[in-house]
Parts: sequence; C-alpha cells; structure tokens
Amino acid sequence: EAGVTQFPSHSVIEKGQTVTLRCDPISGHDNLYWYRRVMGKEIKFLLHFVKESKQDESGMPNNRFLAERTGGTYSTLKVQPAELEDSGVYFCASSQDGGVGEKLFFGSGTQLSVL
Amino acid sequence: RKEVEQDPGPFNVPEGATVAFNCTYSNSASQSFFWYRQDCRKEPKLLMSVYSSGNEDGRFTAQLNRASQYISLLIRDSKLSDSATYLCVVNDGSSYKLIFGSGTRLLVRP
Repeated sequence: EAGVTQFPSHSVIEKGQTVTLRCDPISGHDNLYWYRRVMGKEIKFLLHFVKESKQDESGMPNNRFLAERTGGTYSTLKVQPAELEDSGVYFCASSQDGGVGEKLFFGSGTQLSVL
Repeated sequence: RKEVEQDPGPFNVPEGATVAFNCTYSNSASQSFFWYRQDCRKEPKLLMSVYSSGNEDGRFTAQLNRASQYISLLIRDSKLSDSATYLCVVNDGSSYKLIFGSGTRLLVRP
C-alpha cells in the first residue's frame, strides 16, 4: 500500500515567487494535515482537512498561505508570495478517522528554501 | 515556555547501553501522548503511544505521569539503528492537533 506522498521533495525559489506543494494521502484516509518545521524550531500544525472541508486552519501563519483539497483527494499548499521566513520542511500527514490519539502517517516532506 | 519541553541532547551512548529520555508538557487537558522517531532528513514515524499504565514494546518502555505532566522513554540494549531524533508529542487538549517537542537526539556508537 502506498504511503503519503509529497511533491516536490525540494523546492528552491526566490523571495516573492509562488510555490505550490502537493500531498497525496493514503487512499481512503479522509483526514489530511499539514505541518511544517522551520529552521531550529519544532514541528508545528498548519491545518486539517476532513475530506474536502477545512476543519481547522488555525495554524496557518498568514494569508499568503492557501490550502485546498479539491474532491477530498490530494491537497495543495500554495505560498504566494513566498518570504524568507517560509523556508522549512512542510510535512503532510493523513489518518483514517481523525480521532484524538489516532496514528498519523507522515509523508517525507517538502524542503522549501526561499532565497 | 514551550508547550512540550525536551532535552535536545545529543545523548551519545555505546551499543548495549540503556538510555532514558524525558519530556514535560504544559497543557493539562492533553489526552494523547506519543513518542515519534525521526531519522535525519526523513519524516516522523510513530514509535509508540504512551498510556497512563505505562507500556512496553520490545526494548522500548514508555511511562506517563499525568500529575507531573511528564513523559519518559526508556531504551534498553541500544542498537546502532536506534540512532535518531526522538520526538515527544502530545495532542492539543481535546483536539486532534499534535504538539511536538523539539526532539532529543540519540547517537549510539559501536
């Protein structure tokens, strides 16, 4: 069974450009999460989808970040325009039921570098 | 104060050693507790959930003290392959959001 896949694995862009990250969750998982780790900090929650609906986007840093999950399948996270402080590793995770204590399966992440 | 505090290490131990990691969390409403393992440049992977009664999985033992808001992980008979960063993770109160510690790095030497 395929795990959570993320694309691209690395992205290097200049400040002011736009970048779109993609996540394909495990098939059948209704819950999809985005987390990120910026340099020197701990991994932090960004948002949570249940199917195509945003359940919680309280962790999104600002309105330069836009996440979508069309049709409740894959998700995209767009950063426009990118700033230097957006550099970090963006992880996607999925789970089946979304309950407290449920195991999350993480993708291998997208390393974003904004120059 | 961080929501989940861990000693960053690194802990440098010989093969076969026993090593213990601790973590404290600030939200007394947290209900779920985990240890994740993260290898260099890889994604976090669930090592084990942590229960109030304590639980063991092979060489790994996890303990939870809700009164002190303290979680521990004990690794016995360390292997070279145990070298990684160990992340203490709790849920955000009654929600599904996970709060991660910064991680404790373990290096097991031959």
